[in-house]
Formats: sequence, C-alpha cells, structure tokens
Amino acid sequence: GENVEQHPSTLSVQEGDSAVIKCTYSDSASNYFPWYKQELGKGPQLIIDIRSNVGEKKDQRIAVTLNKTAKHFSLHITETQPEDSAVYFCAAKLVSTGNQFYFGTGTSLTVIP
Amino acid sequence: GAGVSQSPRYKVAKRGQDVALRCDPISGHVSLFWYQQALGQGPEFLTYFQNEAQLDKSGLPSDRFFAERPEGSVSTLKIQRTQQEDSAVYLCASSLRQGHGYTFGSGTRLTVV
Repeated sequence: GENVEQHPSTLSVQEGDSAVIKCTYSDSASNYFPWYKQELGKGPQLIIDIRSNVGEKKDQRIAVTLNKTAKHFSLHITETQPEDSAVYFCAAKLVSTGNQFYFGTGTSLTVIP
Repeated sequence: GAGVSQSPRYKVAKRGQDVALRCDPISGHVSLFWYQQALGQGPEFLTYFQNEAQLDKSGLPSDRFFAERPEGSVSTLKIQRTQQEDSAVYLCASSLRQGHGYTFGSGTRLTVV
C-alpha cells in the first residue's frame, strides 16, 4: 500500500518568516494530495490540495508544489502568523484502493510572535 | 448542518465495555469515512461508506469494530469489548462525492481504562 512520510515533525519559525513542510509518497498511482491543518481538540481542516496534473497551486499565503517524478510534495506558508500554529498533515490518495487517504505523521508548527 | 457533527466528544469506557460513536455528516454528502487517530499520529483509515453501502472496511483492526450507515446519512461506529489499545480519537469525515477532499468532524476521544 501507499506510504507517506512527512518532515519535519516539529518546526518553529519567527512570525513573518516562511515555513516549509515536505512529504514523500511511495505509489506513483496516487493522484490527489491534500493538506490538512489540525488545531488542538479539533478535526483536521482542509487548507489546500493539488492534483497530479498540476505542479503548483497557490492560495494567498499558502502554496503547494508537487514533483511527480521524485514523488514528493511540499507545503509553503509565507508571512507566517501566530494563528498558523497547529499540526499540519499531508495526505495522498491511492487510486486503486478507492477513496482512502493515507496521511503523514504530522508537523507541529509553532509561530513565535 | 453546516459541518460534520460527532458525539459524544469524550467517552471513557471500562475495559470490556461496548461503545457506540455517532457521526452526522454534512447533508447531501454521499461519502462517509471513519479514521482512528492515535496521540501524535496522523489519522488512519478504518472504513468507508458510499450512501448506505460499506465499500471498504479493510482498516477495521479487528472483528470487535463494526460500522453502519443504514439510511445513508448518520453513521455509527461500534466497538465491542473495548481494550486499552482502542484509546484514540475517532474521526468521521464526509465528502460530496468521490475524489473530493474531506470535511472532518471534531472527533470522539475514547479513553479505555
């Protein structure tokens, strides 16, 4: 099955700096890659996603890039703010096993004011 | 409702007790998923429904776990004879149709003592 690895597990940045979180996946058949933000005591919230026919997608301060050849994708947050502090999860969808998503182990982001 | 609603938010069960966790998906969402999230980990897939049909239950860890969605809306995850290793947050998610990102509920935190 699919294996999604995520790095780093923790990340601290100064307010205003950029944060980058990286994920790799093992199955080249995966074609959809969402990113989720999870705040304490809440469920994961979809913040951005990318499909395998696109190399980059941007939404205000958040961007995601995908390298299908290398099988890795990254989340970029620019001009970080304290409210960006949360746990971020990447995920990959494996086409051949229906609608199941495989999640990374999460990155705890702390933005220091 | 506006979001995915899960109840109860917290459940403490004595080892050996049966529990039932409820999920109310977003109205009209065809797909419904259950995930298990251990502390400090990403969500792990349990089972998937499309309307009332359970299309994938490959992630259920044992035959003590059972899920149903009899009318294609509300779903119940039942765990029989709970064990300590069942302690986790159980997340429900729904999506409008296959291939779309999920909307997660806030989860039920189950603690087995």
